[in-house]
Amino acid sequence: AQRVTQPEKLLSVFKGAPVELKCNYSYSGSPELFWYVQYSRQRLQLLLRHISRESIKGFTADLNKGETSFHLKKPFAQEEDSAMYYCAPLFSGGYNKLIFGAGTRLAVHP
Amino acid sequence: DAGVTQSPTHLIKTRGQHVTLRCSPISGHKSVSWYQQVLGQGPQFIFQYYEKEERGRGNFPDRFSARQFPNYSSELNVNALLLGDSALYLCASTKGQAGANVLTFGAGSRLTVL
Repeated sequence: AQRVTQPEKLLSVFKGAPVELKCNYSYSGSPELFWYVQYSRQRLQLLLRHISRESIKGFTADLNKGETSFHLKKPFAQEEDSAMYYCAPLFSGGYNKLIFGAGTRLAVHP
Repeated sequence: DAGVTQSPTHLIKTRGQHVTLRCSPISGHKSVSWYQQVLGQGPQFIFQYYEKEERGRGNFPDRFSARQFPNYSSELNVNALLLGDSALYLCASTKGQAGANVLTFGAGSRLTVL
């Protein structure tokens, strides 16, 4: 079964602290992996995708195929990082289907 | 480019009624997908349409249907509304049918069923 687990509903940190948002997935094959973010009153938008290996807004994500994890990290959190974060593998068996986790709300306090 | 546009932004219906939600993809994108996001949960895949044909369907009852028009815009229809259909309905567009395409989302249509 295709499943995504984001174990933390809420992650609360202070500005400047490191952040790690966890994501584990169960999926047959090698999915393309994405993190999407939703800031307050804004639409869901792409944060980063594994294949591009970019660092967006200081965030990076490492794929661990052995542990089937794709954790999102940032060394120094900023207040503007406060948002809802969704991990989403892409099922591409003939069509595009993102499988979203329940999301983690990141709250960065001053 | 206005991005993915959805209408209406908010609507209220009563149980048993029917609703139609509309989506216009980004110019040049030929695929439209629909997702349902219930409060407190991540979005769930409902349909993908490409070149006016249904290419994928999620685990939703037959009360949910959709179609795509020649200009690639799309409608999502839900019949016999239930309280549990209350959710944010998201539309996303991509250029192609499959592969590692990036989905770009609209702002959503928030449906409340009373």
